[in-house]
Amino acid sequence: DIQMTQSPSAMSASVGDRVTITCRASQGINNYLAWFQQKPGKVPKRLIYAASSLQSGVPSRFSGSGSGTEFTLTINSLQPEDFATYYCLQHNNYPSTFGQGTKVEIK
Amino acid sequence: EVQLVESGGGLVKPGGSLRLSCAASGFTFSSYSMNWVRQAPGKGLEWVSFISRSSSYIYYVDSVKGRFTISRDNAENTLYLQMNSLRDEDTAVYYCARDPGGSSSSDVWGQGTTVTVSS
Repeated sequence: DIQMTQSPSAMSASVGDRVTITCRASQGINNYLAWFQQKPGKVPKRLIYAASSLQSGVPSRFSGSGSGTEFTLTINSLQPEDFATYYCLQHNNYPSTFGQGTKVEIK
Repeated sequence: EVQLVESGGGLVKPGGSLRLSCAASGFTFSSYSMNWVRQAPGKGLEWVSFISRSSSYIYYVDSVKGRFTISRDNAENTLYLQMNSLRDEDTAVYYCARDPGGSSSSDVWGQGTTVTVSS
């Protein structure tokens, strides 16, 4: 099974900061990687698919990059509504696997 | 409007069974694969199962193999998850998610249904 190692597990940041979250796959997953945002008590929302494609309706301050085994989610100019937990998901091989999550908190 | 609505959750004793349903509307259900994803209280997301458009391909996470069965009824636009031999650790919110296929996955999610396994 493919393991997804997501880092950091938590971070504190200020409004306006640039935030970078990384997911490393235990083996190559092509670009079959998505990023999700989840706020407390809410349904996960897809932000990025195919590693770097922005989901329709998602602000352009969110971007994804990477290929093979290392992937990054970047949030440029963090906004108050961006404080949430973020997850990566690989679906190149089954079982599909999520990263452990990154909680982005207010500094 | 594209919509997924889960139902069937509830309180069940260890060893019991439940069947979850996910009713799809607003899109051609038979054209999409589907996933079940769960989230235990205070924990992260865990992928549970996948079923392809015509049910030809089915996958499970190891922890539910032999106990859970995913299925679908394309005529009724409904996805199912039959859960048997339930354990405490199956307690979670269960979400269904649409899978467009290729390099796109889980683009639309339902609101979730809560399963509590407790004596």
